[in-house]
Amino acid sequence: KAGVTQTPRYLIKTRGQQVTLSCSPISGHRSVSWYQQTPGQGLQFLFEYFSETQRNKGNFPGRFSGRQFSNSRSEMNVSTLELGDSALYLCASSLGELYNEQFFGPGTRLTVL
Amino acid sequence: AQSVAQPEDQVNVAEGNPLTVKCTYSVSGNPYLFWYVQYPNRGLQFLLKYITGDNLVKGSYGFEAEFNKSQTSFHLKKPSALVSDSALYFCAVRDMIKAAGNKLTFGGGTRVLVKP
Repeated sequence: KAGVTQTPRYLIKTRGQQVTLSCSPISGHRSVSWYQQTPGQGLQFLFEYFSETQRNKGNFPGRFSGRQFSNSRSEMNVSTLELGDSALYLCASSLGELYNEQFFGPGTRLTVL
Repeated sequence: AQSVAQPEDQVNVAEGNPLTVKCTYSVSGNPYLFWYVQYPNRGLQFLLKYITGDNLVKGSYGFEAEFNKSQTSFHLKKPSALVSDSALYFCAVRDMIKAAGNKLTFGGGTRVLVKP
């Protein structure tokens, strides 16, 4: 069974631009969560989508948004990029129950110049 | 609110010796607890989880963890460490209360260095 895939793997943008990251979950998984990983803040939860609906949201500004499609693929968008948005963005998929483990993709490394 | 603490930034151990990575947690209700490992330039790999039942949980690659409700701890252990176990380890918690959602809260991570 194929794992979680994320595209692109690396991205370089400049301040003020916007970016869209993509995540394809494991086949059959309906929940997709997004996390931001930085050296200073560690791993922080962005949001979770389940069956095309945002089910939970972390404490990030409205510049961070996401969506999920009917095939469970998910995208996250960051508008008006800031230097502090430079991070590894991880996508995780699961079957969706609270006791299910999440399986992580390799991440997208975003660098904002 | 849920939180996780990993008190050690780094753990050094000689190959063949026992490895322990500490984790304590705080949740409003009862916890679901997870351990993940991250290798350089990789995502997180699931090691094991505690849901309910036996306090000793066995996972991948010879790892196990012990849930202790009174001490709110979930320490990761391996009887005999390998050099290839050198990586960054994360403990995570999710509250069983459904309103808390599917959000995982992670500890700050513990870097494990196993020396030959």
